[in-house]
Amino acid sequence: DTAVSQTPKYLVTQMGNDKSIKCEQNLGHDTMYWYKQDSKKFLKIMFSYNNKELIINETVPNRFSPKSPDKAHLNLHINSLELGDSAVYFCASSQDEGRYSEQFFGPGTRLTVL
Amino acid sequence: DAKTTQPNSMESNEEEPVHLPCNHSTISGTDYIHWYRQLPSQGPEYVIHGLTSNVNNRMASLAIAEDRKSSTLILHRATLRDAAVYYCAPGNKLVFGAGTILRVKS
Repeated sequence: DTAVSQTPKYLVTQMGNDKSIKCEQNLGHDTMYWYKQDSKKFLKIMFSYNNKELIINETVPNRFSPKSPDKAHLNLHINSLELGDSAVYFCASSQDEGRYSEQFFGPGTRLTVL
Repeated sequence: DAKTTQPNSMESNEEEPVHLPCNHSTISGTDYIHWYRQLPSQGPEYVIHGLTSNVNNRMASLAIAEDRKSSTLILHRATLRDAAVYYCAPGNKLVFGAGTILRVKS
């Protein structure tokens, strides 16, 4: 059973398009996250949700909008895609939002903007 | 977030111990030190975390310096499956730098 799953695994699209990435966790966790990993492998948090409520929103362009329909899902919608959005996006979840909580990551979605 | 310095790469022989260092001199007093690893084409995987005391789990040990400005991840017996990029991440939020590429030779 996959703990944290993401779809699609690969996404290739043109500049200016709008796309969504879906994430689901079956661990019963309260907190979910979106991370961006760039070409140099640096990984940074974008958003986190706890019980469907936004708790962290890093300096991310407004074109990125997360949506959490329920505790088990956190989707990421991106409007007007730009070349610089090309990266691997990881979804993760943890039991709670504690500073020490182990995070479980999905397999990632490789987004390529042409 | 605390800045980290890790070696770009390290190499180990199979079945030997590996010590992966991390400097985090700007760490604040309440920051936990997290270690994750990432195998090729996979998402990061939790390894261990600690605050002040040394920690052990089934995967590894974490030795934290008394002043907390550095820590060392210890893999007691490296296997080929341990070949990955290891990230040290002190702080309340996970931020990964370049990490250390660990190569394990058979």
